[in-house]
Amino acid sequence: GENVEQHPSTLSVQEGDSAVIKCTYSDSASNYFPWYKQELGKGPQLIIDIRSNVGEKKDQRIAVTLNKTAKHFSLHITETQPEDSAVYFCAASISHNNDMRFGAGTRLTVKP
Amino acid sequence: EAGVTQFPSHSVIEKGQTVTLRCDPISGHDNLYWYRRVMGKEIKFLLHFVKESKQDESGMPNNRFLAERTGGTYSTLKVQPAELEDSGVYFCASSQLRGAEAFFGQGTRLTVV
Repeated sequence: GENVEQHPSTLSVQEGDSAVIKCTYSDSASNYFPWYKQELGKGPQLIIDIRSNVGEKKDQRIAVTLNKTAKHFSLHITETQPEDSAVYFCAASISHNNDMRFGAGTRLTVKP
Repeated sequence: EAGVTQFPSHSVIEKGQTVTLRCDPISGHDNLYWYRRVMGKEIKFLLHFVKESKQDESGMPNNRFLAERTGGTYSTLKVQPAELEDSGVYFCASSQLRGAEAFFGQGTRLTVV
């Protein structure tokens, strides 16, 4: 089955700097890659996703890149703000065909 | 539109006791998932319902865990008898399409002492 690895487990950046979180997956058939943000006391919320027919997707300060050949995808947050502090999870699935598998999460701390 | 709701938000029980967690998915979402996160580890898949049917329960740890979704609406996850290693945050999620965008509840933090 699918195995997703996520790095780093913790990340601390200064406000205004960029943050990058990386994930690798094992199943070459996976074609849907969402990123979730979990704030304290809340459930994970989808912040951005990418499908295998594109290599990059951007939404304001957040971008995700996908390298299908290498089987890895990354989350990029630019101009970080304290409210970006949370735990971020990557996931992979074969859309419509199987269930999502998640990475172990990255605790991002943005220091003001 | 109401999101996915879970009850209770926290539960502390003694080893050997029984606990039942409840999840109300978003109305109209046929797909309902249970996940668990043990401290510092990945959000691990437990099982998947399509309406009232168990589509995949390959992630259920053992037969002390029983999930139901009678009528294809809300779902319950019962742990009986609870063991220390069952402690963690149990998340429920629902989606319209399998493997597509899933909406999560706030989770139930279970502590077995």
